[in-house]
Amino acid sequence: GIQVEQSPPDLILQEGANSTLRCNFSDSVNNLQWFHQNPWGQLINLFYIPSGTKQNGRLSATTVATERYSLLYISSSQTTDSGVYFCAASNSGYALNFGKGTSLLVTP
Amino acid sequence: DVKVTQSSRYLVKRTGEKVFLECVQDMDHENMFWYRQDPGLGLRLIYFSYDVKMKEKGDIPEGYSVSREKKERFSLILESASTNQTSMYLCASSFPPLGTYFGPGTRLTVT
Repeated sequence: GIQVEQSPPDLILQEGANSTLRCNFSDSVNNLQWFHQNPWGQLINLFYIPSGTKQNGRLSATTVATERYSLLYISSSQTTDSGVYFCAASNSGYALNFGKGTSLLVTP
Repeated sequence: DVKVTQSSRYLVKRTGEKVFLECVQDMDHENMFWYRQDPGLGLRLIYFSYDVKMKEKGDIPEGYSVSREKKERFSLILESASTNQTSMYLCASSFPPLGTYFGPGTRLTVT
């Protein structure tokens, strides 16, 4: 299956800072998603983005499919943004392969 | 909003017991999945189903089985629970253009 690598593994930010999380994948994809796992373990779907750019409030994502990477931008970070961000990809149309995640801590 | 519910938030079972984890989604999604999440290992796919009565093995199916008798319900069965099946179990459903939606998870402890 597709290999998904995320960087950085850990990130500490002060409230108000911006950040960029990266996801590299090993093959062409027809499905790429970003998730946020909150401290209670709930995985929240952020973006379905196999190609192109999307924005939702302070979050945006860009996938460059030809170069096999995706970026998640968090602007003006808040303490509630803390948690683990996962990138997941697939080229089968069904199940996703997950990266190991980026653990983000936003401090007041 | 898509809603995926799981039967239990926390579960404690004894070694050798048969364990049923239930998952229900309310959005008529074709695809449903069971993952387990362990520290250092990330999320790993156990089984998935792309239609009623259809199932496919994921990366770690050993020791598990699944059942999908109705479109909205996908059950994970631990035939004889073992301590190495202590984990967080996450159910998900998907409709590709909209994405994949996860339930709140079941934290299972096998003693």
